[in-house]
Amino acid sequence: EVQLVESGGGLVQPGGSLRLSCAASGFTFSSFWMTWVRQAPGKGLEWVAIIKQDGSEKLYVDSVKGRFTISRDNAKNSLFLQMNTLRAEDTAVYYCAGGFGWYNVYWGQGTLVTVSS
Amino acid sequence: DIVMTQSPDSLAVSLGERATINCKSSQSVLSSSDNKNYLVWYQQKPRQPPKLLISWASTRESGVPDRFSGSGSGTDFTLTISSLQAEDVAVYYCQQCYDSPLTFGGGTKVEIK
Repeated sequence: EVQLVESGGGLVQPGGSLRLSCAASGFTFSSFWMTWVRQAPGKGLEWVAIIKQDGSEKLYVDSVKGRFTISRDNAKNSLFLQMNTLRAEDTAVYYCAGGFGWYNVYWGQGTLVTVSS
Repeated sequence: DIVMTQSPDSLAVSLGERATINCKSSQSVLSSSDNKNYLVWYQQKPRQPPKLLISWASTRESGVPDRFSGSGSGTDFTLTISSLQAEDVAVYYCQQCYDSPLTFGGGTKVEIK
């Protein structure tokens, strides 16, 4: 059974940092592009970042460039999102997702990040 | 950035009737190298993550009921639910996977009339 389990969300003050993790199982993690997608409360989906199978290519939405870093550890079947200089507008459920290409076949249940003082 | 515009924002359809959702991209997502449309559709039910329904604009994923179909090419795409069932109540999103940033449409909420 495919599983993607996110962790690391929580309440953080504006300007703070948080590191999200995603543990993958049930599929060949190292063969998949992996993505972070977020969804602000009551809003639509927003693509955040994607990383290639071997980590050699990383792409970001403009609003997080320079603040967020996506990474992966294929030996541990894990995906990460380091989030720095957090803003109120980063408040959202963050989903870990994976696919053969740039679209996502597998999705986690999400972890909530709340940026507030 | 490629802007994805969905219409309508919401629609209410009677059980067994057809639901049609439109998605328009601000530039073509048809690749000349492989003749594929880099357009996918997701379904998101309340309090659940999205689920991939259709890839390459018209390829239904394994296990997706055949009442769901996708069509279109270039910049104009449609998701059709041929006979709406109660379990189809959800928000539907299109996404282009042609160019970064990989943008989503705003979503279409489908309800039962």
